[in-house]
Amino acid sequence: NAGVTQTPKFQVLKTGQSMTLQCAQDMNHEYMSWYRQDPGMGLRLIHYSVGAGITDQGEVPNGYNVSRSTTEDFPLRLLSAAPSQTSVYFCASSTSGRGIEQFFGPGTRLTVL
Amino acid sequence: RKEVEQDPGPFNVPEGATVAFNCTYSNSASQSFFWYRQDCRKEPKLLMSVYSSGNEDGRFTAQLNRASQYISLLIRDSKLSDSATYLCVVHTGNQFYFGTGTSLTVIP
Repeated sequence: NAGVTQTPKFQVLKTGQSMTLQCAQDMNHEYMSWYRQDPGMGLRLIHYSVGAGITDQGEVPNGYNVSRSTTEDFPLRLLSAAPSQTSVYFCASSTSGRGIEQFFGPGTRLTVL
Repeated sequence: RKEVEQDPGPFNVPEGATVAFNCTYSNSASQSFFWYRQDCRKEPKLLMSVYSSGNEDGRFTAQLNRASQYISLLIRDSKLSDSATYLCVVHTGNQFYFGTGTSLTVIP
């Protein structure tokens, strides 16, 4: 099992560019989520999905879109990158239910100039 | 008010010391609680789940106090390898809320 994979590992964008961060898991997990981590802020939830075809907003969804067409994949799209979106992005997955561990991908380090 | 609050530290302790971290959460309906460990520039990994009855895993003990909405982590006999950031995580509804993390450095 590869677990949770994310690509790319690093990315530099110019303001206004768009891009998609990829996330995939091979554990057949229903729940997937995207977080961003900024110094002093902890991890903040951007969007999450409880299953294929179902997505919802987290704490900081503005400027990001997601879709969940398959159980395995949960891409995060930046529509028009802004310097405020410079951050480390983590994707996570878990089975549904109480007390369930989340497994994280290795992260994508994004810089927007 | 933040969903989860933690003292960011840093905590600098000598090897062999006992150190305790605390965390408070704001939503009494929260249903699951965890401590995660995050090493520098790496992804968070589950350290342990936290139950009302308390639970222990080797040198690590976690406690949950639902009445005070407070979670704790105790590390005994600290090792150099315990140096990391410890994240308090609360599961409420369909969302996981993370504290900002507490930085621990164990000094030889």
